[in-house]
Amino acid sequence: AQSVTQLDSQVPVFEEAPVELRCNYSSSVSVYLFWYVQYPNQGLQLLLKYLSGSTLVKGINGFEAEFNKSQTSFHLRKPSVHISDTAEYFCAVSDGNQGGKLIFGQGTELSVKP
Amino acid sequence: DAGVTQSPTHLIKTRGQQVTLRCSPKSGHDTVSWYQQALGQGPQFIFQYYEEEERQRGNFPDRFSGHQFPNYSSELNVNALLLGDSALYLCASSRDFFQFFGPGTRLTVL
Repeated sequence: AQSVTQLDSQVPVFEEAPVELRCNYSSSVSVYLFWYVQYPNQGLQLLLKYLSGSTLVKGINGFEAEFNKSQTSFHLRKPSVHISDTAEYFCAVSDGNQGGKLIFGQGTELSVKP
Repeated sequence: DAGVTQSPTHLIKTRGQQVTLRCSPKSGHDTVSWYQQALGQGPQFIFQYYEEEERQRGNFPDRFSGHQFPNYSSELNVNALLLGDSALYLCASSRDFFQFFGPGTRLTVL
């Protein structure tokens, strides 16, 4: 069975500081990995995805993530955050079947302070 | 191009009632998945529909059922509502590996 663990439930950070949101997964098969962002009272928006190839994945809004197979991690990073990045971030894994279900972590609340 | 749309936006029901939530997929998408997101939790997979049939199902009781229509839109039905069914219900559509989410329906069960 697949599972996702987001290691931090809340991450407070000052504006323009770097941030890393941590995600570990477990799976017995090859996986596809995703990061989604959820702004208050909205649905989920895809930030970035890893399917194969380069382990460093770049997404929207200046975010990037690195797939580390040996450590089964897929941490999300941004070198300089903005107030507008305040949101809930979810890491998710799929079993790789076309349109396959997503297994989500519990989420990390990123709070950017001025 | 409209994205994934869901209706209604909010809904209040009482215990024991039945509810139907609706989802229209993004143009060109043929697969619809439903997720339940309880407050402070990550979304949990309920089931997925493709070609009008349930293709995958998560760990949810039979009170949760669904349907997909020939135009790929979908409904989620929940019978005998419990207080614990209060949540944000998210619909996601896809054609390949990438699921696009709608804004959700907030269900409150009193």
